Amino acid sequence: DVKVTQSSRYLVKRTGEKVFLECVQDMDHENMFWYRQDPGLGLRLIYFSYDVKMKEKGDIPEGYSVSREKKERFSLILESASTNQTSMYLCASSLSRPGTDTQYFGPGTRLTVL
Amino acid sequence: SQQGEEDPQALSIQEGENATMNCSYKTSINNLQWYRQNSGRGLVHLILIRSNEREKHSGRLRVTLDTSKKSSSLLITASRAADTASYFCATDMEYGNKLVFGAGTILRVKS
Repeated sequence: DVKVTQSSRYLVKRTGEKVFLECVQDMDHENMFWYRQDPGLGLRLIYFSYDVKMKEKGDIPEGYSVSREKKERFSLILESASTNQTSMYLCASSLSRPGTDTQYFGPGTRLTVL
Repeated sequence: SQQGEEDPQALSIQEGENATMNCSYKTSINNLQWYRQNSGRGLVHLILIRSNEREKHSGRLRVTLDTSKKSSSLLITASRAADTASYFCATDMEYGNKLVFGAGTILRVKS
């Protein structure tokens, strides 16, 4: 079974802090994704990556950056956390192009920015 | 903007009843997927239906796709308390390279 793990289930940070959210998948998937989930808005794509050291902006990249130094690891970085970044963050991976393949999700990180 | 939108936003039924959720989308697609999310957890893939398919089954799940109406439905038969979750449809766009998720339907199955 594919396993996608995220470094923390719950995280509390202060405004202005730099925040790292880590995601690791164990199935040698090419593609990895970061979403945020807010009530009534569903999942919104922040960034995705189709290969090591490759990244593309999603629908809401402002205030975020990403890093993919190794195939199995995709990190989301909040350069200077703000209260409007309080949300559930979900990482996912897929073997092939997203529209034609299943995405496997991690358990999520619920981030609170005070 | 969201590509897929689910209806209803929330649904409450008794155990044993069937649950039907609908998804509408705006542009042409290659595929449509349904996912389930248990409270506070990640999403789990349920089923994928391609644009040239009209119906697909998986256990107690039945998905239909009507590309002329740009809509899909997910039917869960003989529901169980364990089916309580949020259900999301996700679409790719015909010339896109990412999935777009709807806001979801919250299903509550009462025992």
